[in-house]
Amino acid sequence: DQQVKQNSPSLSVQEGRISILNCDYTNSMFDYFLWYKKYPAEGPTFLISISSIKDKNEDGRFTVFLNKSAKHLSLHIVPSQPGDSAVYFCAASDRDTDKLIFGTGTRLQVFP
Amino acid sequence: NAGVMQNPRHLVRRRGQEARLRCSPMKGHSHVYWYRQLPEEGLKFMVYLQKENIIDESGMPKERFSAEFPKEGPSILRIQQVVRGDSAAYFCASSPARGYTFGSGTRLTVV
Repeated sequence: DQQVKQNSPSLSVQEGRISILNCDYTNSMFDYFLWYKKYPAEGPTFLISISSIKDKNEDGRFTVFLNKSAKHLSLHIVPSQPGDSAVYFCAASDRDTDKLIFGTGTRLQVFP
Repeated sequence: NAGVMQNPRHLVRRRGQEARLRCSPMKGHSHVYWYRQLPEEGLKFMVYLQKENIIDESGMPKERFSAEFPKEGPSILRIQQVVRGDSAAYFCASSPARGYTFGSGTRLTVV
């Protein structure tokens, strides 16, 4: 049972445009959501997070939006840069556990 | 302040051998998590440990896999009698609270 889903395995975006990565979840107990970025042969790197009491969190070029009623979150990167090319994982947890549940990832490619 | 340290980075084992993966959390972090990434898949939770305690091992296979986080020294993920299906990248993460810092992983190849 996949509680966190990233339905797009890959995304290709031109440099300077917006990248939108999507994530859906099924567990209504999740109250904390994170995005990680992963380069090949490296560990995932924390990017940005959002608590369920908010619907938006922004950090530089990265913004995460949370729609609790739809159980959906998205990561916006604008403007996209070639160095953003990586695999992006969405993750979620609930207040009763520190365990993070990850999606399967979306491979973003930003081309010049 | 060193990050989460995992070693070895690459490990090759023959079928039937034992694999030991080590993880030293960030200084001051007392929570350690192990995740596995199979080829073309996401990160799957395996086990969550605090010093000398296993908190949640719901993601650990029932046989051949064990984990520990002793009072002194790194956390160890041990896989006995490895099989080809154990080939994967194993990541350790540590945290003082919600949200983790990951190590660079150990890539296990079973031949």
